[in-house]
Amino acid sequence: GAVVSQHPSWVICKSGTSVKIECRSLDFQATTMFWYRQFPKQSLMLMATSNEGSKATYEQGVEKDKFLINHASLTLSTLTVTSAHPEDSSFYICSARDLGGTTYNEQFFGPGTRLTVL
Amino acid sequence: RKEVEQDPGPFNVPEGATVAFNCTYSNSASQSFFWYRQDCRKEPKLLMSVYSSGNEDGRFTAQLNRASQYISLLIRDSKLSDSATYLCVVIQSNTGKLIFGQGTTLQVKP
Repeated sequence: GAVVSQHPSWVICKSGTSVKIECRSLDFQATTMFWYRQFPKQSLMLMATSNEGSKATYEQGVEKDKFLINHASLTLSTLTVTSAHPEDSSFYICSARDLGGTTYNEQFFGPGTRLTVL
Repeated sequence: RKEVEQDPGPFNVPEGATVAFNCTYSNSASQSFFWYRQDCRKEPKLLMSVYSSGNEDGRFTAQLNRASQYISLLIRDSKLSDSATYLCVVIQSNTGKLIFGQGTTLQVKP
């Protein structure tokens, strides 16, 4: 099946620093990738839709200047959490839609990045 | 009202038990439904799609009730390895986005 990787898998940083998370589709191309955030005991919440070659579309309540998304190629999207604060500590998960897949709606999830801001 | 609602549980059942989870959705125009499984500190993984006619995959049966706007997941002969959080997912019809429920936690005890 399609494989999506994320790097790093976990990160601990000081308040005020910026953290970059990478999401890669390893064996397929994805014009669209999605970024989710999951707080403990809560559901995954879509933060933004990342489109290759164009600006990301952010969900209501998500600050685009704080969560910078770059989708530079068909296999890579990055999420940068700028000036991170403890309330940004969460599990960040990306997913990608396989262009060549037969199931249009199926998204493949990366393993997630656990961010802890001290 | 949340777009997708689930009872968070936890459901604690003995091995071999049959357990059922329900999920309700608010948008009657929704067309596609899924159950995902998420293990602790891991990403969600697709368990099965939910079809109008209902579908079965081994010990797992998914059903859709459009009139009442709910979907269900039945697990028969529970195994210890079934312990996880089960996420109900609905495709938002006008955007194609995945909308996740909070998840229902299942603990299967020996």
